[in-house]
Amino acid sequence: GQQVMQIPQYQHVQEGEDFTTYCNSSTTLSNIQWYKQRPGGHPVFLIQLVKSGEVKKQKRLTFQFGEAKKNSSLHITATQTTDVGTYFCAAPSRLTGNQFYFGTGTSLTVIP
Amino acid sequence: DAGVTQSPTHLIKTRGQQVTLRCSPKSGHDTVSWYQQALGQGPQFIFQYYEEEERQRGNFPDRFSGHQFPNYSSELNVNALLLGDSALYLCASSLWGLNQPQHFGDGTRLSIL
Repeated sequence: GQQVMQIPQYQHVQEGEDFTTYCNSSTTLSNIQWYKQRPGGHPVFLIQLVKSGEVKKQKRLTFQFGEAKKNSSLHITATQTTDVGTYFCAAPSRLTGNQFYFGTGTSLTVIP
Repeated sequence: DAGVTQSPTHLIKTRGQQVTLRCSPKSGHDTVSWYQQALGQGPQFIFQYYEEEERQRGNFPDRFSGHQFPNYSSELNVNALLLGDSALYLCASSLWGLNQPQHFGDGTRLSIL
């Protein structure tokens, strides 16, 4: 089945350091969504990227969609303890745009 | 404006039993999707309902079935429970259409003994 791969699986950073997670697909994606799930919580929608090479920012978070629309990244500048959680990318099915495949996620731990 | 609500929050069953999980979508949403999330994994798509019909289905056996009611709420039924069905079951609501952001509920934690 269709898959999106995320790396790394885990990341521990000191508070104030930067963090990046990468999402890769073997096929071209029409768009990609990013979600954050806090420990014990549920996924919360962060953003959607649609255009090739698109870059969007939300405060300290920067999201990029690759030129070939096969990869994406989420970068957090100067992490804070509130950034702790698992970050998932989700890509739509090639066959049906309203069925999403979630990546394996990157679990971020921020050490105060 | 209520978000997505799911019930119950926790459930313990034994192998072979049947379970029904419930979901009320966010106000204004007409589409409900169900996901299974095993510990340490990303959510896996089970199926999606719109206009009271199953529109999409993931790679799950027929033991997993669902229903959507006229008020857009939904149920997930799982028959003949297996130990491997232990997981967090998430309901997500959205507007019908391509590439819609999904709003998740807090989930039902199902444990099979």
